[in-house]
Amino acid sequence: GQSLEQPSEVTAVEGAIVQINCTYQTSGFYGLSWYQQHDGGAPTFLSYNALDGLEETGRFSSFLSRSDSYGYLLLQELQMKDSASYFCASMGGGYQKVTFGTGTKLQVIP
Amino acid sequence: DVKVTQSSRYLVKRTGEKVFLECVQDMDHENMFWYRQDPGLGLRLIYFSYDVKMKEKGDIPEGYSVSREKKERFSLILESASTNQTSMYLCAIMSGVYGTGELFFGEGSRLTVL
Repeated sequence: GQSLEQPSEVTAVEGAIVQINCTYQTSGFYGLSWYQQHDGGAPTFLSYNALDGLEETGRFSSFLSRSDSYGYLLLQELQMKDSASYFCASMGGGYQKVTFGTGTKLQVIP
Repeated sequence: DVKVTQSSRYLVKRTGEKVFLECVQDMDHENMFWYRQDPGLGLRLIYFSYDVKMKEKGDIPEGYSVSREKKERFSLILESASTNQTSMYLCAIMSGVYGTGELFFGEGSRLTVL
């Protein structure tokens, strides 16, 4: 089966850096994705890691360690508009099944 | 741009009714997914399909079925709606290069079962 754990809430100051962790248990693991969801909106894709290491996309970076079954999303130079829920999602288990974590609600404060 | 269209944004049904939620994509993507989203529980996978007439159970398939007669359309069926199926339902397709794990979501269908 698949399960993913991430913190339920994180608060950070505008302009700061925040890291959202995700640990997973996924059989037949292919890779780890991250999604952002604003209140009332649909999730939108941020990044994907299939190999160990850091992937950088602008202010957002994502890291994966397959040996530790662990990944994180790093958000730099936080802006108020980054206040949203962030989900990690693993792909695996055959037929490209995608399973989501329970989400981390990020609040950015002035 | 990838477009995923869910037929109804809001539905109100009564216990025991049969409910159909439709999802249509405008591209030729194989993989389609149905999730439900509830506060504190994240997105939970109900069913997914990797080709026409092919389906796989997700993590919470009980009380649901699906149909994929054509590649562009993936339907979620609640045979006999119950109040615990009140939720936001999200359809998604997997796009991009094989194995990138990128899902595109529809706007969601908020179902209330009375």
